[in-house]
Amino acid sequence: EVQLVESGGGLVQPGGSLRLSCAASGFTFSNYAMSWVRQAPGKGLEWVSAITSGGSIYYADSVKGRFTISRDNSRSTLFLQMNSLRAEDTAVYYCASDSSGYYYWGQGTLVTVSS
Amino acid sequence: EVVLTQSPDFQSVTPKEKVTITCRASQSIGSSLHWYQQKPDQSPKVLIRHASQSFSGVPSRFSGSGSGTDFTLTINSLEAEDAATYYCHQSSSLPPTFGQGTKVEIK
Repeated sequence: EVQLVESGGGLVQPGGSLRLSCAASGFTFSNYAMSWVRQAPGKGLEWVSAITSGGSIYYADSVKGRFTISRDNSRSTLFLQMNSLRAEDTAVYYCASDSSGYYYWGQGTLVTVSS
Repeated sequence: EVVLTQSPDFQSVTPKEKVTITCRASQSIGSSLHWYQQKPDQSPKVLIRHASQSFSGVPSRFSGSGSGTDFTLTINSLEAEDAATYYCHQSSSLPPTFGQGTKVEIK
């Protein structure tokens, strides 16, 4: 069974940083592209970033230059380093495994950017 | 970027009624369209993949159809547990995009 467990969320001041982690199990992590998708309170889903099995990396324009996605295949873990955080980054951040286009989702971790 | 537009935004439905949600893409995406169900305080769960392929464990009352730019999610004989927000998602081109969501309420 695919399991994705996010951690690292919390309250941070504008301009601050956070590092999210996603521990994966139940599938061969290194073979799959992985993504981060966020959902602001009461809003819809917004794709943030993706990293392929081969290491190619993609970002939404809204986070480019501020967020960095990475993966550690030896630990089956996905990361999202978030710098220069803004109020509009407040959201639940979901880790998702990309299975031929569709996603399996973790339970999410809440990031709140506020002074 | 491919824009996905769902309709309606909200639907209030009686149990056992049939529900139809549409998702229109701003350009052709073949069959690279997936449907998710999200209940309050839960993460999304896949219902239909690649426009019309059912997913293991999903009740048979959920079905999908369409290709190109027009897609449909159908819920036959709605049950109370189907109260949720439904999202379409395209994986044809980067960036991946989602519809704005359709909230289904049980009358």
